[in-house]
Amino acid sequence: AQSVSQHNHHVILSEAASLELGCNYSYGGTVNLFWYVQYPGQHLQLLLKYFSGDPLVKGIKGFEAEFIKSKFSFNLRKPSVQWSDTAEYFCAVNRGGNTPLVFGKGTRLSVIA
Amino acid sequence: DSGVTQTPKHLITATGQRVTLRCSPRSGDLSVYWYQQSLDQGLQFLIQYYNGEERAKGNILERFSAQQFPDLHSELNLSSLELGDSALYFCASSQGRLGEQFFGPGTRLTVL
Repeated sequence: AQSVSQHNHHVILSEAASLELGCNYSYGGTVNLFWYVQYPGQHLQLLLKYFSGDPLVKGIKGFEAEFIKSKFSFNLRKPSVQWSDTAEYFCAVNRGGNTPLVFGKGTRLSVIA
Repeated sequence: DSGVTQTPKHLITATGQRVTLRCSPRSGDLSVYWYQQSLDQGLQFLIQYYNGEERAKGNILERFSAQQFPDLHSELNLSSLELGDSALYFCASSQGRLGEQFFGPGTRLTVL
């Protein structure tokens, strides 16, 4: 069965600091990879996705992620965080097409002024 | 706004009761997924329907069931509710082969 590991449970950063959230998945076949964000009290929104091609993908709000196949990783990065990035971030994977998502446990990001 | 709608937004009920959660997918999306989000279990996949047919099942309890209607909206039925069923229930929909899912605002269920 597929699984997704997010190593950081809670990350606290000052504004303008750089962010990197780790995500590893366990599945040997072809996968689609996603990062979703959940702002307090809101639903999940897609930040970015990787299906194939360039392993460095850019998403909304200045986020990017790099797919490293050999490491089964899909880490999320942002060069300079803002207070408004305070949210929970979920890494997810599926096997493509119309298949369910398997989510990591999430990483709570708190950005302080 | 993802285009996926869910009703009701909040639901408070008692143990042993039965509730129905409703989801309308984005226009044109044939797949509907139900997920449960709780503090201890995180986000877990429950069940998927594709164009009216059950497609995949995850960690869904026997007390829970779902269906997708001809107009593609879906309902999740939760019965014999227990305190531990209190959670956020999300519906998501997707269209095609790329697998990107769009999530609704969720229904927060509180079982007292």
